[in-house]
Amino acid sequence: EAGVAQSPRYKIIEKRQSVAFWCNPISGHATLYWYQQILGQGPKLLIQFQNNGVVDDSQLPKDRFSAERLKGVDSTLKIQPAKLEDSAVYLCASSSPVGGAGTIDTQYFGPGTRLTVL
Amino acid sequence: SQQGEEDPQALSIQEGENATMNCSYKTSINNLQWYRQNSGRGLVHLILIRSNEREKHSGRLRVTLDTSKKSSSLLITASRAADTASYFCATDDSGAGSYQLTFGKGTKLSVIP
Repeated sequence: EAGVAQSPRYKIIEKRQSVAFWCNPISGHATLYWYQQILGQGPKLLIQFQNNGVVDDSQLPKDRFSAERLKGVDSTLKIQPAKLEDSAVYLCASSSPVGGAGTIDTQYFGPGTRLTVL
Repeated sequence: SQQGEEDPQALSIQEGENATMNCSYKTSINNLQWYRQNSGRGLVHLILIRSNEREKHSGRLRVTLDTSKKSSSLLITASRAADTASYFCATDDSGAGSYQLTFGKGTKLSVIP
């Protein structure tokens, strides 16, 4: 099966500019995650969607970050305006419960978008 | 904040040797997972161990879990140059149905041919 697709792979912008990332999850996966991975650290969850609804966005800096998942499939993550500290790899992952409710998910990750803010 | 802490931060071994990485965490978990990340790539799921399991095997991988010590270890046997990557432990300590993962900072493994 096709994996999680993300674009662009690389993006360089200046601070205070806007940027958007796109993610297409594995077909049929109901849950979609966006993570931020700063160099030398592990991924940090920004937002989790279940179909087109937000499950958790408690770690999303809402003054500058926004995300949407229209029709419960593709998702976009936007930063406006960008700051220097937003330089990171933005990872999208999707999952689907194995066997139904109450079972354990494995998350499948896309290749990520490497953002550099100058 | 990050739940898991991997140890060591970096590990360099010769091809054919075994590599052991450890992970400690702080709160009760539903399960613990290990992921691999090659340079500039996304994360790949390796293995999942549930809180009621103590040991699990998958090919050359062996994972142990000690919930009393809140720790886990990942053993890669007969390492290959292709195993060179960063390895992350991730804990699922979320409420039922959330399936959220909290990642550690990772162990960078270098396997020298």
